[in-house]
Amino acid sequence: ETGVTQTPRHLVMGMTNKKSLKCEQHLGHNAMYWYKQSAKKPLELMFVYNFKEQTENNSVPSRFSPECPNSSHLFLHLHTLQPEDSALYLCASSPRSTGNTEAFFGQGTRLTVV
Amino acid sequence: AQTVTQSQPEMSVQEAETVTLSCTYDTSENNYYLFWYKQPPSRQMILVIRQEAYKQQNATENRFSVNFQKAAKSFSLKISDSQLGDTAMYFCAFMKPHSAGGSQGNLIFGKGTKLSVKP
Repeated sequence: ETGVTQTPRHLVMGMTNKKSLKCEQHLGHNAMYWYKQSAKKPLELMFVYNFKEQTENNSVPSRFSPECPNSSHLFLHLHTLQPEDSALYLCASSPRSTGNTEAFFGQGTRLTVV
Repeated sequence: AQTVTQSQPEMSVQEAETVTLSCTYDTSENNYYLFWYKQPPSRQMILVIRQEAYKQQNATENRFSVNFQKAAKSFSLKISDSQLGDTAMYFCAFMKPHSAGGSQGNLIFGKGTKLSVKP
C-alpha cells in the first residue's frame, strides 16, 4: 500500500456516458499525476498538477478533463470516450514536482469503453 | 526526445537464480535519473531502485542492483536470489532533471519486461 488510493478499481462505460475517476493521497504530497497504461505501449503521462495548478497537459484530447480541487485529491472526468481509450489509468503523487524524490502510484482504474 | 527501450518482452528465471533485465535509453542530457519500477498483478507500480546519472557507483537495494553504463546509455537490473514474489512487470524509466523541465512524476517509461519466477 503506497498511500495513493484510486476509485473505482474497474469501470465499464458506454461511449455516451459521463464518469469520473478519483485519486486520493494523504501523504502530504503537493504534486499529482495521471498516467495512461495501454496494452503493449509504454505508460503515457497525461497531466501534471503542482500545488493544485495544472503544469502539464501532454496533448490529451478534451474528452479527458482533469480536476484538482486540493493537493490531496485528483479527478479525471470522462465524457464521450472512444473504445481506444480503454486502458489502465494510474494516478501518482510526489512531494513536489521538482527534485529527485519518489513518485508513489495508486493501483489504477481499469477502464473499458464499450 | 528521450526514449527508453526494453528489448526483452518476457523473461523467466528459476527461483533462487539470478536474472538481468536490459534497458537502454536515448538522451542528449548529461544529468538525469533512471528508475526501475515493478508492477505485480495487483497493478501497483512500486519503485525498485533508482540511479542518479552523475553518480558513477551503481545503485544497490538488497537483492536488486543495477549496471549503469552512462556512455553506452545502458541501465540493466540484476535480481539475485530470485523469489516467487518477484514475478511482475518491470519497467525502466527516465526522468530529466528539473532544470531541463523534468520532475519525478514526469517519467518516460519503457514498454516493460514480464518476469516470471518459476519454483
